[in-house]
Amino acid sequence: AQSVAQPEDQVNVAEGNPLTVKCTYSVSGNPYLFWYVQYPNRGLQFLLKYITGDNLVKGSYGFEAEFNKSQTSFHLKKPSALVSDSALYFCAVGDPRGYGQNFVFGPGTRLSVLP
Amino acid sequence: GAVVSQHPSWVICKSGTSVKIECRSLDFQATTMFWYRQFPKQSLMLMATSNEGSKATYEQGVEKDKFLINHASLTLSTLTVTSAHPEDSSFYICSATQSTGMAYEQYFGPGTRLTVT
Repeated sequence: AQSVAQPEDQVNVAEGNPLTVKCTYSVSGNPYLFWYVQYPNRGLQFLLKYITGDNLVKGSYGFEAEFNKSQTSFHLKKPSALVSDSALYFCAVGDPRGYGQNFVFGPGTRLSVLP
Repeated sequence: GAVVSQHPSWVICKSGTSVKIECRSLDFQATTMFWYRQFPKQSLMLMATSNEGSKATYEQGVEKDKFLINHASLTLSTLTVTSAHPEDSSFYICSATQSTGMAYEQYFGPGTRLTVT
């Protein structure tokens, strides 16, 4: 069974500093990895995904994520955090064959960017 | 493109009544839609998979007679919470998939907050 872990419930960072939100995964076979962001009382917004190719994936709003197969990690990063980045971030692992049944979300990490 | 809408965005109902939530793919055809439930400060939990023209597939522990799902067209799926109780109060999110070759894209609606009093 696929699983996703986000070891930090909360990440605090000062505005302008780099941020990292951690994600590790467990899958059988090739991983298909996603990051989503959720603002209060809103649905999920897609940030980026890794399917194949370069290990460094660039996404929306200046975010990027690095796929590390040996460490089974897919950490989300941004060089300079903004207060508006404060939100709930979900890492997810999917399977193109199984759609939602094999689309598993992590528990989420709340990011607070302090002015 | 690839916008998913939900209606209503929030609803308050009395215990024992039924509530219908709509999920629409606005600019693409979605053969498959998913319904998720999210409790405060928790992740999304998949409730069911909805395929156009067929019965929904429910995840273990989800009561299919309580959460009725109808996927009548390629752009509309509905979730009806029947005989709602306060414990059904939650944030319900739908998503729709659009196949793109080897991978797929899953687009999420903005969610519906249900409060049962």
